Amino acid sequence: AQSVTQLDSQVPVFEEAPVELRCNYSSSVSVYLFWYVQYPNQGLQLLLKYLSGSTLVKGINGFEAEFNKSQTSFHLRKPSVHISDTAEYFCAVSEGRQAGTALIFGKGTTLSVSS
Amino acid sequence: ETGVTQTPRHLVMGMTNKKSLKCEQHLGHNAMYWYKQSAKKPLELMFVYNFKEQTENNSVPSRFSPECPNSSHLFLHLHTLQPEDSALYLCASSQGASGAFFGQGTRLTVV
Repeated sequence: AQSVTQLDSQVPVFEEAPVELRCNYSSSVSVYLFWYVQYPNQGLQLLLKYLSGSTLVKGINGFEAEFNKSQTSFHLRKPSVHISDTAEYFCAVSEGRQAGTALIFGKGTTLSVSS
Repeated sequence: ETGVTQTPRHLVMGMTNKKSLKCEQHLGHNAMYWYKQSAKKPLELMFVYNFKEQTENNSVPSRFSPECPNSSHLFLHLHTLQPEDSALYLCASSQGASGAFFGQGTRLTVV
């Protein structure tokens, strides 16, 4: 069965510093990987996704992630964070590309950016 | 207007009440989902509908009853809930492997 582990529950960082949010997954088949962001009292917004091709994926708001098959990881990075990046971040995995294949989520990482 | 709209945004109900959550998607997707988000827990998949047919029920108690009359609408009927059912209920839709698009959620409080 597939699973997702987000290694850090909370990541505090100063504004304009770089950040990496870590995600590892477990699956016996090829997977599709996603990062979502959730602001307070909001739903989840898709940041970026890896389906195939280049292992470095660029998303919205200056975020990027790198798929590493040998390490079964999909870490999220941003070279310089803003106060507005403070939010909950979720890594998710899907084993199928058909409609109706649900995403399995990690527990989330709270990113807190301070000045 | 967001692609996935959930109503109401907030709901307070007693344990003996019956209420329904509504979700509507304007994206032309074929699959719709209900997720439950509780504090300090990962998102829990509840139900999956694919082309209006339920394809997954993730061991959800019968006090939660989903309904999908067409590919654009999804309901979650609630009755005799427990306080531990208080949570944010999220609806999502998807098409293929594009990733799921989520609504804003309904914050449910059971008193």
